[in-house]
Amino acid sequence: NAGVTQTPKFQVLKTGQSMTLQCAQDMNHNSMYWYRQDPGMGLRLIYYSASEGTTDKGEVPNGYNVSRLNKREFSLRLESAAPSQTSVYFCASSARAGGGNNEQFFGPGTRLTVL
Amino acid sequence: AQSVTQLGSHVSVSEGALVLLRCNYSSSVPPYLFWYVQYPNQGLQLLLKYTSAATLVKGINGFEAEFKKSETSFHLTKPSAHMSDAAEYFCAVIPGGGYQKVTFGTGTKLQVIP
Repeated sequence: NAGVTQTPKFQVLKTGQSMTLQCAQDMNHNSMYWYRQDPGMGLRLIYYSASEGTTDKGEVPNGYNVSRLNKREFSLRLESAAPSQTSVYFCASSARAGGGNNEQFFGPGTRLTVL
Repeated sequence: AQSVTQLGSHVSVSEGALVLLRCNYSSSVPPYLFWYVQYPNQGLQLLLKYTSAATLVKGINGFEAEFKKSETSFHLTKPSAHMSDAAEYFCAVIPGGGYQKVTFGTGTKLQVIP
């Protein structure tokens, strides 16, 4: 039982390059999330998927796209990377969105640097 | 809109001393509240959660938090700090009423001095 896995762990991009961050969970959770973590700003929600087949914007969606490929997988795409997207990206999942049982399980993170 | 405020981005305590990390929230409906811990170079993991069953919530590693509606607070405490408690702690809120998004505080880094 691996929980939430993310690939890659580290990535360096040049401005304008594109890439996709992969996330998978094996807990049969309905809901999945993408966050970015920047010093002094906590975690900010980029996009989330409350259930398979749905996605919604979070607090900072500009410059990102997501795909809920199936119940297990939720990917985050940067179409044209910018230095402002240098951050640590976390994927998380929960049994469902909202409510008191919305305990989120986090992956180990992807450290992205955009030069 | 809901929000979470964590007072103090850095807190230092001596080993064996009381740990108190502060969290205040705003929410237009009764909230669900969480504390998460993040060790260096890792993702977050749940310490404890308040879901209205009891105002004093006990979590892992000897931590507990008390929900005080009148003060809109959910402070995290531990009677005696251990070196292994050094980490960053995040308070988070989900409003009730079917709201889906979690709002995280900006985090408090706990340093434990031997």
